[in-house]
Amino acid sequence: TQLLEQSPQFLSIQEGENLTVYCNSSSVFSSLQWYRQEPGEGPVLLVTVVTGGEVKKLKRLTFQFGDARKDSSLHITAAQPGDTGLYLCAGESGNTGKLIFGQGTTLQVKP
Amino acid sequence: EAGVAQSPRYKIIEKRQSVAFWCNPISGHATLYWYQQILGQGPKLLIQFQNNGVVDDSQLPKDRFSAERLKGVDSTLKIQPAKLEDSAVYLCASSLGLNTEAFFGQGTRLTVV
Repeated sequence: TQLLEQSPQFLSIQEGENLTVYCNSSSVFSSLQWYRQEPGEGPVLLVTVVTGGEVKKLKRLTFQFGDARKDSSLHITAAQPGDTGLYLCAGESGNTGKLIFGQGTTLQVKP
Repeated sequence: EAGVAQSPRYKIIEKRQSVAFWCNPISGHATLYWYQQILGQGPKLLIQFQNNGVVDDSQLPKDRFSAERLKGVDSTLKIQPAKLEDSAVYLCASSLGLNTEAFFGQGTRLTVV
């Protein structure tokens, strides 16, 4: 069974601080996706990483895929209250579109 | 472009009752997914359709859950009879194909009492 472990599960920080969320597995994934989910809404895709070692940037968010395609990280620089939400990583196994999600990281950014 | 539509948004039922959820995917999307998201956890895939055929239903509790997508467009997910542990948000997602971005609906929050 493929599993994705996210850490930390909860994070409460002050506006302006930096943070990193980790997503780890013992399995290899063909791609890894990061989503953000707000209360009462479905997850919204932020980024997909495909190549081992790949780094993608989305404004203040930096995503990295591990060389072995088993782990990933999300780094947020100078967090803002608008970044508050549930961050989910999801790995795709093969090319089926089937996603295996981590348990999520709840981020609260206080003004 | 309209997103994935789900109804109802909320449902409260007693255990052993039955319930059905409806999903209308984005127009032209061939692949449709149903996920279960229990509070504090990430979504778990229940079933995946490609047009009106089932691609993966390995994690669907088939003794009580069923899903169909008869015409390859709308889909319904049914639970009969419901158990307390079925309390969760049921998310529908759709994508153009198997390897393309999936778009999620707002979900249906089910509470079984």
